[in-house]
Amino acid sequence: AQRVTQPEKLLSVFKGAPVELKCNYSYSGSPELFWYVQYSRQRLQLLLRHISRESIKGFTADLNKGETSFHLKKPFAQEEDSAMYYCALSGTTGKLIFGQGTTLQVKP
Amino acid sequence: NAGVMQNPRHLVRRRGQEARLRCSPMKGHSHVYWYRQLPEEGLKFMVYLQKENIIDESGMPKERFSAEFPKEGPSILRIQQVVRGDSAAYFCASSPRGDREGGYTFGSGTRLTVV
Repeated sequence: AQRVTQPEKLLSVFKGAPVELKCNYSYSGSPELFWYVQYSRQRLQLLLRHISRESIKGFTADLNKGETSFHLKKPFAQEEDSAMYYCALSGTTGKLIFGQGTTLQVKP
Repeated sequence: NAGVMQNPRHLVRRRGQEARLRCSPMKGHSHVYWYRQLPEEGLKFMVYLQKENIIDESGMPKERFSAEFPKEGPSILRIQQVVRGDSAAYFCASSPRGDREGGYTFGSGTRLTVV
């Protein structure tokens, strides 16, 4: 079965603290994984894709096939990082399978 | 490039009416995906279309929902005889190619409220 799990519905941290948003997946083939961010009920924006291995806005994510995880990390959270974050898996035909999402709240 | 345009942004319908949601993909994109976001839930895939063809409709409810992407004009998601449970945000995304490597651009969504 193709599935993405984000165990935390809400993650609240103070500004400057490290952040880790968890994502685990289930996929029988070679996974293509993404992180999307949604600010304040706006459109989803692509944050990261694992194939590019880049860092965007200070965020990084490493694919761990052994643990079937793709956690999103940032060493020092900023208030403007407050948003909803979705982990997604690209299934057959290119459709995206999303996790439930994690709301990141960065307090001043 | 105006990006993916969805209209209307907000749509209110009474139970039993029809809802038509439009999605104009980015210029040069011929692949369109529709997703539904129910309150307090993540996005769920509904349907994937390429010009004039439905490629994958595995996420579409069996009744009342249909989608099209004609040769000319936007993609349309149509919901007949709406019920309260159809209230949700509907997002479309477009891609230049329907492969697994992403490259999707999302629209701002249409928020449907059924009263």
